[in-house]
Formats: sequence, C-alpha cells, structure tokens
Amino acid sequence: GENVEQHPSTLSVQEGDSAVIKCTYSDSASNYFPWYKQELGKRPQLIIDIRSNVGEKKDQRIAVTLNKTAKHFSLHITETQPEDSAVYFCAASKGSARQLTFGSGTQLTVLP
Amino acid sequence: DTAVSQTPKYLVTQMGNDKSIKCEQNLGHDTMYWYKQDSKKFLKIMFSYNNKELIINETVPNRFSPKSPDKAHLNLHINSLELGDSAVYFCASRSQSHNEQFFGPGTRLTVL
Repeated sequence: GENVEQHPSTLSVQEGDSAVIKCTYSDSASNYFPWYKQELGKRPQLIIDIRSNVGEKKDQRIAVTLNKTAKHFSLHITETQPEDSAVYFCAASKGSARQLTFGSGTQLTVLP
Repeated sequence: DTAVSQTPKYLVTQMGNDKSIKCEQNLGHDTMYWYKQDSKKFLKIMFSYNNKELIINETVPNRFSPKSPDKAHLNLHINSLELGDSAVYFCASRSQSHNEQFFGPGTRLTVL
C-alpha cells in the first residue's frame, strides 16, 4: 500500500519568515495530493491540493510543488503569521475511492 | 448549516462495551469515510463507502463495522471495545465529482 513520509515533525519560524514542509510518497499511481491544517482540538481542513498533472499551485501565501519523478511534494508558506501555527498534514490518494494516506504531521509554530 | 456532523463529541466507556458513533452530511456527497487519529496525531483511513462499494483498510479489526442507513449517514459500530481503541474518530465526505474531503468535528473515544 501507499506510504507517505513527512518532514520535519516540528518547525518553528519567526513571524514573517517562510516555512517549508516536505513529503514523499511510495505509490507511483497516486495522483492527488492535498494538504490539511489542523488546529488544536479541531477537524483537519483542506488548505491546498494538487493533482499529478500539475507541477505547482499557488493560493495567496500558500504554494505546493510536486515532483512526480522523485515522488515528493512540498508545502510552502510565505510571510508566516501566528495564526498559521497548527499541525499540517500531507496526504496522497488514488483511484475512485480517494482514500487518503496521511503523512505523520508537522507541528508549525510561528513565533511573534 | 453544519456540513459534516458527528455525535457524540465525547464518548467515555468501559472495556468490553459496544458503542456507536453517528455521522451525517448535508452536502449531498456520494462517498463517506471514517479515519482514526491516535494520541500521536497519526491519521489513518479505516473505511470508505459509497452506495456501491465498501473498502475496508486491512488493518482495521472486524470489531469495527460501518453501517449506512442512507447516503447522508455513515455510522461506526465498535464491538468489544479495547484500550487501544481510544482515539479521535473523524468522519469525512466527498462528492465523486470532486477530490476534496470535508471532515466532521471528530469524536473523542476514551476506553477505560
């Protein structure tokens, strides 16, 4: 089955700096890669996603890049703000069921 | 106007008991899921279900069973609860024409 690895497990940045979280996946058939943000005690919420036919996608301060050959994808957050502090999960899926295989999560802390 | 709802929010019970968690979505989605998030925040797929197909993750014990009375509901039944079942359980749903999964607020299950 699919295996998704995520690094780093914790990341602290100063407000205004950039943050980068990286994931690798094992199943070359995976073709959909979402990123979820989970605040303490809350549900995971989608912040950005990318399909395998696209190399990069951007939404304001958030961008995701995908390298299908190397089977890795990354989340980039620019101009970080304290409210960006949360756990971020990458995931991969394939097929019609779209079951998500999640990475282990990254606790991002933005220091004011 | 909650999109995906779960009841109860908290569930505390004794080992060996049987319990159910309910999930309802009012988005008109075709596919519903159950995920388990353990104490280390690892999120793992348990089931996906639409009106044609149930996919069970091979690591899920058969004490867990999803039941769908209609398209808007996917309940989770757990028999003979064990200490290791303590976790937060998230329901999610998705339209077959889109990739994004919407998560419910989660149910924190504590087995004593």
